[in-house]
Amino acid sequence: QKEVEQDPGPLSVPEGAIVSLNCTYSNSAFQYFMWYRQYSRKGPELLMYTYSSGNKEDGRFTAQVDKSSKYISLFIRDSQPSDSATYLCAMSRNQAGTALIFGKGTTLSVSS
Amino acid sequence: GAVVSQHPSWVICKSGTSVKIECRSLDFQATTMFWYRQFPKQSLMLMATSNEGSKATYEQGVEKDKFLINHASLTLSTLTVTSAHPEDSSFYICSASPGQGGAYEQYFGPGTRLTVT
Repeated sequence: QKEVEQDPGPLSVPEGAIVSLNCTYSNSAFQYFMWYRQYSRKGPELLMYTYSSGNKEDGRFTAQVDKSSKYISLFIRDSQPSDSATYLCAMSRNQAGTALIFGKGTTLSVSS
Repeated sequence: GAVVSQHPSWVICKSGTSVKIECRSLDFQATTMFWYRQFPKQSLMLMATSNEGSKATYEQGVEKDKFLINHASLTLSTLTVTSAHPEDSSFYICSASPGQGGAYEQYFGPGTRLTVT
């Protein structure tokens, strides 16, 4: 079993839809949970992070962590064509200076 | 702030030659730098972790004699792919951490696409 599982999609939605992206993980020691957005042939950019369990909201984006189920989610409200990208979840056991374990990434396409 | 650059962005080399990729933190000092490799439609796979002035720590299965990493200063790390082969063709991404704060304090470069012919 891989440490982090993420459905690669692709996921296609119409503009304005609510998008739900998910990852599951097996290592209960993970404490930091991140979501990155990656455009084709570019480096990942951090969208949101959460420490331990709970929800976090930033504009149209909401991140949720359920450590009891080892399940994390990213919700995108009012999706826009500019949201079309690959979304990667990433996790870490410790604080700064430790490597991240990435999911495979979900490719999202939002059509206008 | 927190900008990381990589050079070159794209390189083509012949099989058997060596290629050097630079990773620079432009506006902060990076205590730790990471090198990842990403194949098409795959996730980022950690290759090695390097701390300034120390030898890099390589992940299992990554040949340290083939992928030479030098973290000579707090703003520069280099990855040299020696005796490159077509199977080394991939997207190489570095990231840098200031060593403080949370695990999310890791900033990624734009990546380098290596094609070995």
